[in-house]
Amino acid sequence: EVQLLESGGGLVQPGGSLRLSCAASGFTFSSYAMSWVRQAPGKGLEWVSIVSVSGDTTYYADSVKGRFTISRDNSMNTLYLQMNSLRAEDTAIYYCAKEIATYGRGRLDYWGQGTLVTVSS
Amino acid sequence: QSALTQPASVSGSPGQSITISCTGTSSDIGGFNYVSWYQHHPGKAPKLMIYEVTNRPSGVSNRFSGSKSGNTASLTISGLQAEDEADYYCISYTSSNTVVFGGGTKLTVL
Repeated sequence: EVQLLESGGGLVQPGGSLRLSCAASGFTFSSYAMSWVRQAPGKGLEWVSIVSVSGDTTYYADSVKGRFTISRDNSMNTLYLQMNSLRAEDTAIYYCAKEIATYGRGRLDYWGQGTLVTVSS
Repeated sequence: QSALTQPASVSGSPGQSITISCTGTSSDIGGFNYVSWYQHHPGKAPKLMIYEVTNRPSGVSNRFSGSKSGNTASLTISGLQAEDEADYYCISYTSSNTVVFGGGTKLTVL
């Protein structure tokens, strides 16, 4: 059974940093691109970032480019999102999601339950 | 990276069919056959309903179908059921190698 379990969310002050983790199991983690998607309170889903199977290719939404870094450790079956210079508008539930294939095209067939990040003083 | 345009809400009675549109540009929907649709019940993880415009993942009811014409993609749900009431989002791959969501559509089953 495919499982994605996010952790690392919490309350952080504006300008602060947080690292999210997503532990994957039930599939060959190293064979699939992975994404982070978020949903701010009362808002819709927003794609955040994607990483290739090897981890050497990454892409970001304009809203987080230069502040967030996506990475993966295939030996640990874990996806990460390092979030720096956090702003109030980054407050959201953050989901990790698995692509349906090796390369990322927004076809996310499995999602975690999400972890809440709150940016507030 | 402008969001794709979806109607804020649609509604239908049980047994009826509804269609949700998703409008983008030639740099996203119009340029690629990588449009997906997600069903999202509040408090739960989103669920992939359609990928690559028309494909249904295993386990998704054939009451759900997708199509595309030019820069607009559509999700049709036939034989509406109470459990179909949810938020629906389209998503497209873009020419910048990124992905962009639609604003979401709230489906109400009357």
